[in-house]
Amino acid sequence: SQTIHQWPATLVQPVGSPLSLECTVEGTSNPNLYWYRQAAGRGLQLLFYSVGIGQISSEVPQNLSASRPQDRQFILSSKKLLLSDSGFYLCAWENSGRAKNIQYFGAGTRLSVL
Amino acid sequence: QKEVEQDPGPLSVPEGAIVSLNCTYSNSAFQYFMWYRQYSRKGPELLMYTYSSGNKEDGRFTAQVDKSSKYISLFIRDSQPSDSATYLCAMSAGDYKLSFGAGTTVTVRA
Repeated sequence: SQTIHQWPATLVQPVGSPLSLECTVEGTSNPNLYWYRQAAGRGLQLLFYSVGIGQISSEVPQNLSASRPQDRQFILSSKKLLLSDSGFYLCAWENSGRAKNIQYFGAGTRLSVL
Repeated sequence: QKEVEQDPGPLSVPEGAIVSLNCTYSNSAFQYFMWYRQYSRKGPELLMYTYSSGNKEDGRFTAQVDKSSKYISLFIRDSQPSDSATYLCAMSAGDYKLSFGAGTTVTVRA
């Protein structure tokens, strides 16, 4: 069966510090991968998605970047965090072929920038 | 206007009641419809998935889609305290993007 791992679960970082959040998927090959941010009462905002190694599409211009160095690994980064980067970050995967648009989410990372 | 509007709630119901959750959408290209359940401080968990108008049942859960009215619903029968969570509707036109509602928080009182 497929599983998705996201870490860390919580993170407190000072303004101006770098960020690296990691997401890995097991039990599937060539998944589509997604990073979302969830703000209270505002639903999920798509930040980045990737359909393959090294292929990244950005939905919202911002202080963050994403990379996909391996088939089942997706990384969210920032060189200098802003207060507004605080939030709940979710990684998701989707089969690239069958069962279109069914996305499965990780447990999330709660980021507090102080 | 948001692409997806979800009744904001919150909803508080007694155990055993029927919970009714609703979303409306404006994009007529949406053809895949999902409901996710999210417990506090956890990631969303897929509950129901459908791509056609009509009803789909899974245990105590029924998903309803009316494409002509651009309206979807989720019904929870015989609600339990363990159903207390935030419910998110999501939909897609078949590309890579899911559009989500803002979520409705449900509390089932024992």
